[in-house]
Amino acid sequence: GENVEQHPSTLSVQEGDSAVIKCTYSDSASNYFPWYKQELGKRPQLIIDIRSNVGEKKDQRIAVTLNKTAKHFSLHITETQPEDSAVYFCAASKEVSSASKIIFGSGTRLSIRP
Amino acid sequence: EAQVTQNPRYLITVTGKKLTVTCSQNMNHEYMSWYRQDPGLGLRQIYYSMNVEVTDKGDVPEGYKVSRKEKRNFPLILESPSPNQTSLYFCASSPQGYGELFFGEGSRLTVL
Repeated sequence: GENVEQHPSTLSVQEGDSAVIKCTYSDSASNYFPWYKQELGKRPQLIIDIRSNVGEKKDQRIAVTLNKTAKHFSLHITETQPEDSAVYFCAASKEVSSASKIIFGSGTRLSIRP
Repeated sequence: EAQVTQNPRYLITVTGKKLTVTCSQNMNHEYMSWYRQDPGLGLRQIYYSMNVEVTDKGDVPEGYKVSRKEKRNFPLILESPSPNQTSLYFCASSPQGYGELFFGEGSRLTVL
């Protein structure tokens, strides 16, 4: 079945530096790739997503890139700030009307060092 | 306010005692889903529902049941809980099964 692998599991970066989290997926039919941020004790919330018809999407300090050939996508956070500390989950799914299984990666715990 | 509401938020129970975790959304979403979150394993899908009376298994459905009798409600039922079902559970909904998922606040379940 569909599998999503996420690396690294933990990441510590100096405040102001960049952070990169990578995910690979197994099902080539996947065409929707969201990223969720989960702050400590809170629910996951969508921060950015990308569909397979584009290769990159940016929203202020965060960006996502997608390589369909290699079946991997990455989250990039620039100029990291303390409030970026959280667990980040990637996910993959197929946007079809008949059924929808959204598969999540195992998560990356990002810590921002002051 | 648009939201997904889960109850209870915290529960400690004993092996074999049936329990239900309720989930309700007020956004008229077609799609609802249950996940469990365990350290190092991320969010694993238990069951999902594309619409009323339509449910399907996710990746870890064993030991769980669900029902979707009304569009807004999607309860998770543990008929005979076991300690390996100790976890943090999230209910989520989305308009059509793709796009943004809206999560509830989570229900932390401990089975002794």
